Amino acid sequence: DQQVKQNSPSLSVQEGRISILNCDYTNSMFDYFLWYKKYPAEGPTFLISISSIKDKNEDGRFTVFLNKSAKHLSLHIVPSQPGDSAVYFCAATKGVTSGSRLTFGEGTQLTVNP
Amino acid sequence: GAVVSQHPSRVICKSGTSVKIECRSLDFQATTMFWYRQFPKKSLMLMATSNEGSKATYEQGVEKDKFLINHASLTLSTLTVTSAHPEDSSFYICSARRGGGIYEQYFGPGTRLTVT
Repeated sequence: DQQVKQNSPSLSVQEGRISILNCDYTNSMFDYFLWYKKYPAEGPTFLISISSIKDKNEDGRFTVFLNKSAKHLSLHIVPSQPGDSAVYFCAATKGVTSGSRLTFGEGTQLTVNP
Repeated sequence: GAVVSQHPSRVICKSGTSVKIECRSLDFQATTMFWYRQFPKKSLMLMATSNEGSKATYEQGVEKDKFLINHASLTLSTLTVTSAHPEDSSFYICSARRGGGIYEQYFGPGTRLTVT
């Protein structure tokens, strides 16, 4: 049962444009969401997170939007840079009640073309 | 910062032997550490959660006698793959969490295990 889904395995955008990565979840108990970036043969790097009490969180070029009613979140990167090319994972947790265990999506490979 | 290291980064071992992987939080104390496994082109699969000073909690389907986890201190957790088989070959990643209501996990660089 895949509780966190990233339906797009890959996304290609032009440098300077906006990258929008999407993530859907099915478990309404999730109350905290995170985005990670991963390069091959490396561990994921934390990017940005959002609590379920918010609908938007912004950090520099990265903004995460949460639509609880749709059980959908998205990561916007603007402007996109070639160095942003990586696999992006969204993750969700039920917080303290789950021991802060993260459930990951399958990842989306982002390629930013110069 | 929140730096997590793993050692070794790459290991090749013979079938039937055991391999130990270390995970350290370098600049913070980790109340909880997690061990993941990643298959090629797949998501991260949580194997177990370990809290300092207590037994690890294993996910369903993960053999606790095969994947021994020790969380000896607030900065060190080890994963030992016992009697390794070729199907154990994978990319193993640890993560650490500060605690105190902070849910972000900080990941190590991963260990590539190849069992021949």
